[in-house]
Amino acid sequence: AQTVTQSQPEMSVQEAETVTLSCTYDTSESDYYLFWYKQPPSRQMILVIRQEAYKQQNATENRFSVNFQKAAKSFSLKISDSQLGDAAMYFCAYRDSGAGSYQLTFGKGTKLSVIP
Amino acid sequence: ETGVTQTPRHLVMGMTNKKSLKCEQHLGHNAMYWYKQSAKKPLELMFVYSLEERVENNSVPSRFSPECPNSSHLFLHLHTLQPEDSALYLCASSQDQGIYNEQFFGPGTRLTVL
Repeated sequence: AQTVTQSQPEMSVQEAETVTLSCTYDTSESDYYLFWYKQPPSRQMILVIRQEAYKQQNATENRFSVNFQKAAKSFSLKISDSQLGDAAMYFCAYRDSGAGSYQLTFGKGTKLSVIP
Repeated sequence: ETGVTQTPRHLVMGMTNKKSLKCEQHLGHNAMYWYKQSAKKPLELMFVYSLEERVENNSVPSRFSPECPNSSHLFLHLHTLQPEDSALYLCASSQDQGIYNEQFFGPGTRLTVL
């Protein structure tokens, strides 16, 4: 079974600085999808960024980028120029790519605080 | 209304009560999900419906009963719950067969079982 591990329960970053959240996963599949979700205190979970395993290029969405290391099964999230609105729980998630694969496997999350 | 909505946002119930959680998606998706989010635990997938048919049931106790009358609505019927069932219940939807099958989440229902 796939597992997702987020080893940092809490992180903090100074406003305007850069922070990296780590995520590792375990799978025997060669093709799959990886996601980072953000859950602010209002609780609505929103997708931040996504990556297909067969794509070598790291995904980027504005201030958010990932460092995808397939061999190491690592998928870290970098937030540049951190803003107060970035404070939230961040969840890393994995999904098989096969047809009919619905299960998203989540990590336990990392609580990010942004210091003004 | 846009996105995925859930009602009620908060619910307190006794162990002998019967209640229902409602989820509605306004995204034209054809798959819907129920998740349980407990403190310090990963999100747990409870049920998946695709095209109104249940496709996954992750060993959830029978005191939780899902219902999907159409592709836009999903219910979770609750009866004789236990205090350990207190959690945030999240609904999500996605477009099945999409490349990423990206899931969009609702705001959740905070359930407290006394």
